[in-house]
Amino acid sequence: EAQVTQNPRYLITVTGKKLTVTCSQNMNHEYMSWYRQDPGLGLRQIYYSMNVEVTDKGDVPEGYKVSRKEKRNFPLILESPSPNQTSLYFCASSAHDSGGVEQYFGPGTRLTVT
Amino acid sequence: GQNIDQPTEMTATEGAIVQINCTYQTSGFNGLFWYQQHAGEAPTFLSYNVLDGLEEKGRFSSFLSRSKGYSYLLLKELQMKDSASYLCAVRDRTGNTPLVFGKGTRLSVIA
Repeated sequence: EAQVTQNPRYLITVTGKKLTVTCSQNMNHEYMSWYRQDPGLGLRQIYYSMNVEVTDKGDVPEGYKVSRKEKRNFPLILESPSPNQTSLYFCASSAHDSGGVEQYFGPGTRLTVT
Repeated sequence: GQNIDQPTEMTATEGAIVQINCTYQTSGFNGLFWYQQHAGEAPTFLSYNVLDGLEEKGRFSSFLSRSKGYSYLLLKELQMKDSASYLCAVRDRTGNTPLVFGKGTRLSVIA
């Protein structure tokens, strides 16, 4: 089954404790991205990757890191989480193409930083 | 800058028709997407428009006017399960480039 998976689905952590949220897709997609979703603010892009070893900042990259060492994986790293990073996070992927290429979203990771 | 506007909330009756509007001002335009998102779940793709006009897909239709920077999503024969948020998103450049999302419209379908 074609899918995007994220782990963990739920995480409660404390300020300053490094964490990684994994994202994996089995569709051989070139393009992957991370979003955060907050009430009243909608989906905002954190980072995206057009292919292996190619990453770029989105609209809200501060406090986050990513890596793309393999095509299928695109982990999101919070080196020193803070309470303002409490949010619902989505990973998404799509094939490399121009035009109407839909993005497939993972199930989401709900992160709480205390 | 990039700006996408949608109404925050709408309410409609089961069996009725509802139209959700989206206006956009972006530096470029290479397609407009509509996604559906149920509370706490991932967005799922509904439709894509890149040329002016109406695209119909079952109970859902999407319209685009590039000259007006305007789109709408039309939902017919509303069902309770259509209660969700509807997200308008624009691709502002050619190629598989990031989407710019609106804040979404929360639709409540009532009996």
